[in-house]
Amino acid sequence: QKEVEQDPGPLSVPEGAIVSLNCTYSNSAFQYFMWYRQYSRKGPELLMYTYSSGNKEDGRFTAQVDKSSKYISLFIRDSQPSDSATYLCAMSAHSGGGADGLTFGKGTHLIIQP
Amino acid sequence: DGGITQSPKYLFRKEGQNVTLSCEQNLNHDAMYWYRQDPGQGLRLIYYSQIVNDFQKGDIAEGYSVSREKKESFPLTVTSAQKNPTAFYLCASSMVSGANVLTFGAGSRLTVL
Repeated sequence: QKEVEQDPGPLSVPEGAIVSLNCTYSNSAFQYFMWYRQYSRKGPELLMYTYSSGNKEDGRFTAQVDKSSKYISLFIRDSQPSDSATYLCAMSAHSGGGADGLTFGKGTHLIIQP
Repeated sequence: DGGITQSPKYLFRKEGQNVTLSCEQNLNHDAMYWYRQDPGQGLRLIYYSQIVNDFQKGDIAEGYSVSREKKESFPLTVTSAQKNPTAFYLCASSMVSGANVLTFGAGSRLTVL
């Protein structure tokens, strides 16, 4: 079983819809959770960062962590064509540098249809 | 503006040649990383460095080499020993304390002809 599972998609939804992107994980030690957005042929950029369980909201984006189910989600409200990108989840058991402790999902390719 | 600069953006190489990808950051980050991204395989860690003159192998270091002579710079050399070098290469940096959040460069696309 891979440490982090993420459906690669593509996920295609109409403009204005609510999008739900998800990752599941197996390592119960993970407590730092991140979502990155990556446009085609660009580097990933950080969207959301959460610690432990709960919700965090930033504009149209909401990150949700359920540690009991080992499941994290990213919701996008009022989706726009400019949201079309690949979304990568990432998680770590500890803070601080050291990418050997940072595990990425493979990314979900999202397409917002105008 | 602070950030990470990778160059070149696109690079073509003949088989058997070594090539060096540049990565420079002005974020005053101590840690720097190189990832490889292939379709359907996500990000795979090649090398990382938390301090000048020190670096560690990641999951797929074979056929690659790095140096960290300056805090701002972390060049990656793709050697002829790398069997399948065609890929998208990403450089990243982070603080060594606090949140484990990476800042990425725009990437370098290497194609072996």
